[in-house]
Amino acid sequence: NAGVMQNPRHLVRRRGQEARLRCSPMKGHSHVYWYRQLPEEGLKFMVYLQKENIIDESGMPKERFSAEFPKEGPSILRIQQVVRGDSAAYFCASSPSGALNEKLFFGSGTQLSVL
Amino acid sequence: GIQVEQSPPDLILQEGANSTLRCNFSDSVNNLQWFHQNPWGQLINLFYIPSGTKQNGRLSATTVATERYSLLYISSSQTTDSGVYFCAVEWMNTGFQKLVFGTGTRLLVSP
Repeated sequence: NAGVMQNPRHLVRRRGQEARLRCSPMKGHSHVYWYRQLPEEGLKFMVYLQKENIIDESGMPKERFSAEFPKEGPSILRIQQVVRGDSAAYFCASSPSGALNEKLFFGSGTQLSVL
Repeated sequence: GIQVEQSPPDLILQEGANSTLRCNFSDSVNNLQWFHQNPWGQLINLFYIPSGTKQNGRLSATTVATERYSLLYISSSQTTDSGVYFCAVEWMNTGFQKLVFGTGTRLLVSP
């Protein structure tokens, strides 16, 4: 019974390159959330997706960032033309039905380093 | 927006000691959870506790929603308890878990 799986665990990119972060939710979970953690800070909400739908992306930067959760396959967080300020840990979480009284289960995160 | 503050920011304990971590929030919340981030960065959900008291082994948590605070108790601490403890709340009535995380308490348990 695998938990939330994120890959890669570590990702190094040069400025201007693209970063693709993957998240496979727990089995039976159809709701995915992405959070970002800057160094020495708490996590901040980015986007909430259900299968094939973006429900809320109010925490996503308006440019260069996009997210998807296709019918088949993992959720993808894509960052185009990365800059040094994008360096952070990106966490994905999932829940069974998105209800407020459910626990969120987090993956181990992807540490993105932009050189 | 809502403010979520945790105290103390840093805590050093000898193995076997007990501790209390506090989370204050500035508005009514629908959902409050406690997380432990271990030294490898992994986030573990400890409690879902919008109100009342829960216990899980050496850990317990109490939320007094009317007074806008929650407490996490760690008894007989072990070195594996080291890491950062976050509380996170949902308050905007968005209908989903748009959690706002606190500033965290960094705990170091020494042998």
